Amino acid sequence: AQSVAQPEDQVNVAEGNPLTVKCTYSVSGNPYLFWYVQYPNRGLQFLLKYITGDNLVKGSYGFEAEFNKSQTSFHLKKPSALVSDSALYFCAVSSSGSARQLTFGSGTQLTVLP
Amino acid sequence: NAGVTQTPKFRVLKTGQSMTLLCAQDMNHEYMYWYRQDPGMGLRLIHYSVGEGTTAKGEVPDGYNVSRLKKQNFLLGLESAAPSQTSVYFCASRPQIYQETQYFGPGTRLLVL
Repeated sequence: AQSVAQPEDQVNVAEGNPLTVKCTYSVSGNPYLFWYVQYPNRGLQFLLKYITGDNLVKGSYGFEAEFNKSQTSFHLKKPSALVSDSALYFCAVSSSGSARQLTFGSGTQLTVLP
Repeated sequence: NAGVTQTPKFRVLKTGQSMTLLCAQDMNHEYMYWYRQDPGMGLRLIHYSVGEGTTAKGEVPDGYNVSRLKKQNFLLGLESAAPSQTSVYFCASRPQIYQETQYFGPGTRLLVL
């Protein structure tokens, strides 16, 4: 069975500071890893994914994530946070089967303080 | 393209009532999924479909049924609603087998009294 852990329910950071949202995973075989963002009363928006290749993945809105196979982690990062980055962030892992069922973490609420 | 749309946006049901949630996508995607989102639990997969006419159970299928009679539509049914089914329901679609990203609809908020 596959699983995702987001150890922090809430992350607060000052505007302009770097941010990190943590994610660890467990899956059989090669992982397909994703980050999604959810703004209030909205659906999930895709940020970035790791399928294969370079361990540093760049995505939308200046976000990036680093895949670390030995630590089974896929942390989301941004060099300089904006107030508009405040949202709920979900990490997800996909199965290797053709259906690519996503298993989500419980989410991390990011608040960027002005 | 409208992308993934969901109908209705919000609904209140009484215990024991039935209803159907509609998901539609205009991107010709093969795969479609239904999730529910509950506080502190992320999203959990209810049912999914790998193509027109197919359905399969996800992590939390009990109390729900689905149908995919047309490629662009994926219906989620509650035959006899229970308060435990109070949740926000999201539909998602994915193009084909080697394209990994799922695209989500705006959600349906369901309250069962």
